[in-house]
Amino acid sequence: AQSVTQPDIHITVSEGASLELRCNYSYGATPYLFWYVQSPGQGLQLLLKYFSGDTLVQGIKGFEAEFKRSQSSFNLRKPSVHWSDAAEYFCAVGAEGRRALTFGSGTRLQVQP
Amino acid sequence: DTAVSQTPKYLVTQMGNDKSIKCEQNLGHDTMYWYKQDSKKFLKIMFSYNNKELIINETVPNRFSPKSPDKAHLNLHINSLELGDSAVYFCASSQATGTSGGDTQYFGPGTRLTVL
Repeated sequence: AQSVTQPDIHITVSEGASLELRCNYSYGATPYLFWYVQSPGQGLQLLLKYFSGDTLVQGIKGFEAEFKRSQSSFNLRKPSVHWSDAAEYFCAVGAEGRRALTFGSGTRLQVQP
Repeated sequence: DTAVSQTPKYLVTQMGNDKSIKCEQNLGHDTMYWYKQDSKKFLKIMFSYNNKELIINETVPNRFSPKSPDKAHLNLHINSLELGDSAVYFCASSQATGTSGGDTQYFGPGTRLTVL
């Protein structure tokens, strides 16, 4: 069975600083990988996804993520964080033949002025 | 124009009651899902439906009964509510492609259920 680990429960960065959120997955084959963002009181919005091709994926709002098979990782990055990026971020994995996502426990991002 | 909508947004009820949450999507998708987000923000799949047929039932108590009257709707009925059912319930939808696990899921705003 597949699983996702997000090692950082809570991260605080200053506005304008760079950001990297960690995600490690466990899955026997090539995974489908997703990053979603949840703003307070809101549903989940897709930031980006990977399932083949270029291992560096560009998403919305200036986010990118890099798939590293050797490290079983799919870390999310942003070069310069804005106050509006404060939210909960979820990494998720999809498995071939299974219509459901397995989510990590989330990382809460706080942005300091 | 809301893509995936849920009603109600908040639901407060007493233990033992029966309640329903409704979900509708106007994206023309053929697959719909229910996820539960607990108090620690952990999201877990409950059910998924493809073309009105149940394809995933993730060991959810049978007090929970999903119903899909058509491809655009997936409702969740919960009998005999318990304190542990308090959570945020998210509906989602996707269009089935050849990848299945790679289908992008679009989420509704969530329904916060509080059982007293």
